[in-house]
Amino acid sequence: GAVVSQHPSRVICKSGTSVKIECRSLDFQATTMFWYRQFPKQSLMLMATSNEGSKATYEQGVEKDKFLINHASLTLSTLTVTSAHPEDSSFYICSAPTRRTYEQYFGPGTRLTVT
Amino acid sequence: GIQVEQSPPDLILQEGANSTLRCNFSDSVNNLQWFHQNPWGQLINLFYIPSGTKQNGRLSATTVATERYSLLYISSSQTTDSGVYFCAVKRGGSNYKLTFGKGTLLTVNP
Repeated sequence: GAVVSQHPSRVICKSGTSVKIECRSLDFQATTMFWYRQFPKQSLMLMATSNEGSKATYEQGVEKDKFLINHASLTLSTLTVTSAHPEDSSFYICSAPTRRTYEQYFGPGTRLTVT
Repeated sequence: GIQVEQSPPDLILQEGANSTLRCNFSDSVNNLQWFHQNPWGQLINLFYIPSGTKQNGRLSATTVATERYSLLYISSSQTTDSGVYFCAVKRGGSNYKLTFGKGTLLTVNP
């Protein structure tokens, strides 16, 4: 199957700082990638759709100025959590669909802790 | 939007037992995937099954698209099968978005 990587796997930062998370499709090209957030013992919540070469599309209730998304190439999307606060602490996961079948593959996730 | 319901929410088994997990969805779909989220949070693709039946080792899945449900069968369960199983669906159209169910937490005891 296709491989999606994320970096870093875990990050701890102080309140008010910004954190960048990278999502890469390693063996396929992805014009679209997705960013999810998951709280403990809950399902995945879609935050935004990252589109290569154009602006991201955010789900209702997600602050686009806080969660900046850039999809600069066919294999890389980044999520920047700006001015992070403790309530932003969560598990962030990215995914990318293969163009042939639409089957989605997920990265291993990034656990963000804001102190 | 489309609704996805998974049952049961929790399931506890003894090693070696069989189980069936169910996923109901409220509208027609052209993509349905089953995932296993391991204890480290990684979602593992189990099946891409918008319709029909597939088998992979001890796991198999069946989707009856006309009746809007899918079943995941786990036979001879092992402790390593523990974790959360998610069903996710995509409606027709060019949008790739998946809608997830709330998951089934499976615990397999030795």
